[in-house]
Amino acid sequence: NAGVMQNPRHLVRRRGQEARLRCSPVKGHSHVYWYRQLPEEGLKFMVYLQKENIIDESGMPKERFSAEFPKEGPSILRIQQVVRGDSAAYFCASSRGLAGDNEQFFGPGTRLTVL
Amino acid sequence: DQQVKQNSPSLSVQEGRISILNCDYTNSMFDYFLWYKKYPAEGPTFLISISSIKDKNEDGRFTVFLNKSAKHLSLHIVPSQPGDSAVYFCAASGSSRGDYKLSFGAGTTVTVRA
Repeated sequence: NAGVMQNPRHLVRRRGQEARLRCSPVKGHSHVYWYRQLPEEGLKFMVYLQKENIIDESGMPKERFSAEFPKEGPSILRIQQVVRGDSAAYFCASSRGLAGDNEQFFGPGTRLTVL
Repeated sequence: DQQVKQNSPSLSVQEGRISILNCDYTNSMFDYFLWYKKYPAEGPTFLISISSIKDKNEDGRFTVFLNKSAKHLSLHIVPSQPGDSAVYFCAASGSSRGDYKLSFGAGTTVTVRA
């Protein structure tokens, strides 16, 4: 399966702990996006990265959230000191990043539950 | 600020008939539009897209229509099948301007009745 891989699929954390979500893009895709879906809502953009660079983080909360996409390895979305409001499904997507062809392929998501 | 709106939260259609899903947008900088299908506990699956230089794109049972002057697009599924029962999301981006992030609507839940 050459699609977008995310792990873990389910993650349970207590308030104040850290959550690390991983995403491996489609082979050959250099653009990675993170989206969050709260219950009963659509997906909301968080951050857009290319290898080693954050291109757009306009949807990311300023506090406690960070993302990286290192030269080697998966993209990581990190949430420090989690709170109950962070409970959501977090989706990663990847694309080739071509103008006029922004088809993004999504992973299965990580469902974060904060107790 | 919701830039992409799907005003119908649900749609029920009989198997074999046409499903029509609607989507409106407010940002005139959007130039690339996509429809995704999503089953519970899975990620969105790409269905079909359209660039703003076109007004129609067809792929099998799926056709997307774009009306730029009205800032409106629609997805037609014909004939509808039971496996089409899912949540459908409309999304938009301004990719030709380097704005690759997708703005999503809230989704429309489609139920296909046998």
